[in-house]
Amino acid sequence: DQQVKQNSPSLSVQEGRISILNCDYTNSMFDYFLWYKKYPAEGPTFLISISSIKDKNEDGRFTVFLNKSAKHLSLHIVPSQPGDSAVYFCAATTGTASKLTFGTGTRLQVTL
Amino acid sequence: DGGITQSPKYLFRKEGQNVTLSCEQNLNHDAMYWYRQDPGQGLRLIYYSQIVNDFQKGDIAEGYSVSREKKESFPLTVTSAQKNPTAFYLCASSTGDRVSYEQYFGPGTRLTVT
Repeated sequence: DQQVKQNSPSLSVQEGRISILNCDYTNSMFDYFLWYKKYPAEGPTFLISISSIKDKNEDGRFTVFLNKSAKHLSLHIVPSQPGDSAVYFCAATTGTASKLTFGTGTRLQVTL
Repeated sequence: DGGITQSPKYLFRKEGQNVTLSCEQNLNHDAMYWYRQDPGQGLRLIYYSQIVNDFQKGDIAEGYSVSREKKESFPLTVTSAQKNPTAFYLCASSTGDRVSYEQYFGPGTRLTVT
């Protein structure tokens, strides 16, 4: 049972435009959400997170939006840059043992 | 520099052999984790440890074993009982303090079993 879903396996965006990556979850006990970026053959790196008590968190070009009623979150990257090309994973936790449940990832390609 | 090291980067083994993957951290983190990544899939949790001398099974623990004798080290053994051991293995750590849930990842070990 996939509790965290990223339904778009890939996304292509032109440089300078907005990239929107989506994530849906089914477990209503999740109360903290994170986004990670991963390059091939490397470990994921943390990007941004959001607590369930908020609906938006912003850090530079990255903004995460959380819609609890829809069990949906999204990552906005503005403006997109070629170096943003990577796989992005959404993750969620209920807080138990700080365990994270990851989605399957979305491969973002930023074109010139 | 603080961080997580995994060695080796690439590992090749014959089927039927056990193999141990190394993970060391100098972040003074209490919690450590092992994940597996397969093509087109997310990260799946194998084992995790919140404190020295204690660890719990994750979602896909069958065919794997771990130990946590030191805070800094959390080695993973892939046994011959693991049916599909070829994968990219990632180790992570976190403070485990429920204030920050952020996990820090090592560079990974790609294991190929033939």
